[in-house]
Amino acid sequence: DAGVTQSPTHLIKTRGQQVTLRCSPKSGHDTVSWYQQALGQGPQFIFQYYEEEERQRGNFPDRFSGHQFPNYSSELNVNALLLGDSALYLCASSFGIGYEQYFGPGTRLTVT
Amino acid sequence: QKEVEQDPGPLSVPEGAIVSLNCTYSNSAFQYFMWYRQYSRKGPELLMYTYSSGNKEDGRFTAQVDKSSKYISLFIRDSQPSDSATYLCAMMAASGSRLTFGEGTQLTVNP
Repeated sequence: DAGVTQSPTHLIKTRGQQVTLRCSPKSGHDTVSWYQQALGQGPQFIFQYYEEEERQRGNFPDRFSGHQFPNYSSELNVNALLLGDSALYLCASSFGIGYEQYFGPGTRLTVT
Repeated sequence: QKEVEQDPGPLSVPEGAIVSLNCTYSNSAFQYFMWYRQYSRKGPELLMYTYSSGNKEDGRFTAQVDKSSKYISLFIRDSQPSDSATYLCAMMAASGSRLTFGEGTQLTVNP
């Protein structure tokens, strides 16, 4: 049974560019949440997708957007990258409202 | 003030020691309490999940929640070098969706 998978593993981008990160949830899960984890900090909630709609959003600017596909996989898009966007981006999947969230290995984004 | 406070450590103990990890919180809406373990450069792994107040045991791990004090703990008995990792507490309101994390405690268990 495959767990949560994310791609790519690492990514280096330049300020001002745009990036797309991808996530496939654990088998049987229908909800995907995205988190940003800066070095030495706990993950910060970006948003959650359920039934292809954004259900809740954290305190992140509109440069961060997402999408969920009919097969429950999800994308996180970040526009106009800033140096401060450098972080580990984590995807978590769950069933329904999401009390038990299981995380993928993350995508490490470096903005230069 | 942060909603969830966690002592970042680092915490260093000898193998076999009992480890106590703690978090405090300020949001009374939190009803679900989790502990995650995160190895370096990996995603967090769900260890324990507790609803409301009380204790929950799973092998060498015991999670405690005291909602009256807004205080949660994770105890690790007979700690092993393989337990060396960052431990994150996380909480969720009954309405679900978002996890609010502490900043993590870095634990090293020395052989």
